[in-house]
Amino acid sequence: GENVEQHPSTLSVQEGDSAVIKCTYSDSASNYFPWYKQELGKRPQLIIDIRSNVGEKKDQRIAVTLNKTAKHFSLHITETQPEDSAVYFCAASTGDNRLAFGKGNQVVVIP
Amino acid sequence: KAGVTQTPRYLIKTRGQQVTLSCSPISGHRSVSWYQQTPGQGLQFLFEYFSETQRNKGNFPGRFSGRQFSNSRSEMNVSTLELGDSALYLCASQPDSTSTDTQYFGPGTRLTVL
Repeated sequence: GENVEQHPSTLSVQEGDSAVIKCTYSDSASNYFPWYKQELGKRPQLIIDIRSNVGEKKDQRIAVTLNKTAKHFSLHITETQPEDSAVYFCAASTGDNRLAFGKGNQVVVIP
Repeated sequence: KAGVTQTPRYLIKTRGQQVTLSCSPISGHRSVSWYQQTPGQGLQFLFEYFSETQRNKGNFPGRFSGRQFSNSRSEMNVSTLELGDSALYLCASQPDSTSTDTQYFGPGTRLTVL
């Protein structure tokens, strides 16, 4: 089945710096790649997603890039702020019509 | 529209007992997926229901089961609870049974097994 891996597991950045989280996947049939943000004690919420026919997508300070050949996609957060501190999950659609999630990255923004 | 709701929010059970969790999807959504979230393991897929039918199942033992009602509300049942079943159980809804639509998560049910 689909295997989604996230690196690094924990990332600490200074406020104002950029943060990058990378995910790799194994299923060639994957064509949808969402990113979810989960703040402490809250539910995961979609922050951005990308489909396989697009290489990059941007929404204000957040961007996602996709490299289908290498089977990896990355989340980029620019000008980080304390409210960006959270766990971020990447996911990939699978050939059997579900989402496979990575184990999550803890991002800590240091004021 | 109201978001996905889950009840109860917290549960404490003892080993060997069984538990039933409930999920009400966003109005109009017909697909409900269930996930188990534990520290360091991320979101592990349990199963998905669409139009009262189980469409997909993850790699969990038969003690984990679910069902969906005609109003799309879904329940998940865990029998013969084990300590390792302690986790946050999340459900997510989407309009149809497809892996390429946004899934909207509920707040989760925190299950503690003593």
